[in-house]
Amino acid sequence: QKEVEQNSGPLSVPEGAIASLNCTYSDRVSQSFFWYRQYSGKSPELIMSIYSNGDKEDGRFTAQLNKASQYVSLLIRDSQPSDSATYLCAVYSGGYQKVTFGTGTKLQVIP
Amino acid sequence: GAVVSQHPSWVICKSGTSVKIECRSLDFQATTMFWYRQFPKQSLMLMATSNEGSKATYEQGVEKDKFLINHASLTLSTLTVTSAHPEDSSFYICSASTRVLAGVNEQFFGPGTRLTVL
Repeated sequence: QKEVEQNSGPLSVPEGAIASLNCTYSDRVSQSFFWYRQYSGKSPELIMSIYSNGDKEDGRFTAQLNKASQYVSLLIRDSQPSDSATYLCAVYSGGYQKVTFGTGTKLQVIP
Repeated sequence: GAVVSQHPSWVICKSGTSVKIECRSLDFQATTMFWYRQFPKQSLMLMATSNEGSKATYEQGVEKDKFLINHASLTLSTLTVTSAHPEDSSFYICSASTRVLAGVNEQFFGPGTRLTVL
């Protein structure tokens, strides 16, 4: 089992819709969770970090964490074509003492 | 805040030469810096973790004698690709982390360096 798993996509949503990106992780003692956005040919950009169970909202983005299910998600409301990118889930694991990145989900927002 | 720069942004070199890439945290002190490599359409691969003033910790399969990492100060880390070969051509990205500024283990990425070895 991979440490951090994401569906590679592409996930296609129409402009204005809600995009839902999911991520599961294997280490139960994971402490910190991050979502990064990476445009093609560019380096990752931090969007959200979340440390405790529940929802965290920042503008059009909402991160959701469920440690019991070892699941973290990112919702993007009112999706825009400029949101089209690869979204990377990253998890800091106390067990492995490092941040591990998922392979990313490619999001396509269709105008 | 939390700006990380890399230099150069791209480099083309001949096989057998060495290339140095610099990573700087511009507005904070980075206790830890990370070096990643990313091949086209693939995910980020962590190469090594470096803490200021100590030796870098390399991931399994990464040759420490080929990829030399120096983290001499809290704002600068360098990666030197020695005796580069065409298979080393890739997108090299650094990131920096600090508990004080960014919370626990948030990483801020530099813009990346695209290396092409002829």
